[in-house]
Amino acid sequence: ILNVEQSPQSLHVQEGDSTNFTCSFPSSNFYALHWYRWETAKSPEALFVMTLNGDEKKKGRISATLNTKEGYSYLYIKGSQPEDSATYLCAFDDMRFGAGTRLTVKP
Amino acid sequence: EAQVTQNPRYLITVTGKKLTVTCSQNMNHEYMSWYRQDPGLGLRQIYYSMNVEVTDKGDVPEGYKVSRKEKRNFPLILESPSPNQTSLYFCASSSGTDTYNEQFFGPGTRLTVL
Repeated sequence: ILNVEQSPQSLHVQEGDSTNFTCSFPSSNFYALHWYRWETAKSPEALFVMTLNGDEKKKGRISATLNTKEGYSYLYIKGSQPEDSATYLCAFDDMRFGAGTRLTVKP
Repeated sequence: EAQVTQNPRYLITVTGKKLTVTCSQNMNHEYMSWYRQDPGLGLRQIYYSMNVEVTDKGDVPEGYKVSRKEKRNFPLILESPSPNQTSLYFCASSSGTDTYNEQFFGPGTRLTVL
């Protein structure tokens, strides 16, 4: 089983802070890296799919980068808001998920 | 509305009593899969299906069965549930079988096996 690691496990920030977290994955045989946002009591929802080394994706205040050679992706949130509170999951080839980073944004 | 539905949403049962969790999608997706989510672990794939009558094991298939007789439905069957199958289960579907297609998840089924 390929290991997908996410860090930190949880994160507490104040409203307005910018934050980032990491997804590490095996760099061999790479096809795609997915980010999902999972709010409590809801279903995970897709944020980004990234396929090329150096990819950068952005959706509003959330952006992600990809380094397939070293096997990591960063997710950035600029100016965090309480509604950003969720667990952020990454998935390698969309079937191997990390345990997630649980973000809490305090007003 | 495009969606993946699961039933039941919550289920408490006893060891050994067969149960089925249904999953249905209305997006004409080819690919469907089942995951379980346990505290401290990521979503772990149980089974997946690339099309009708085609199913394959994921990472944790022991104790589970699936079938894909119609494109829209992908039920998860626990023939003899055990307490270690207590978990949160998600069904998901995707428009293609390529790994860059995003998955759409159902609302989840919280199963407790006593």
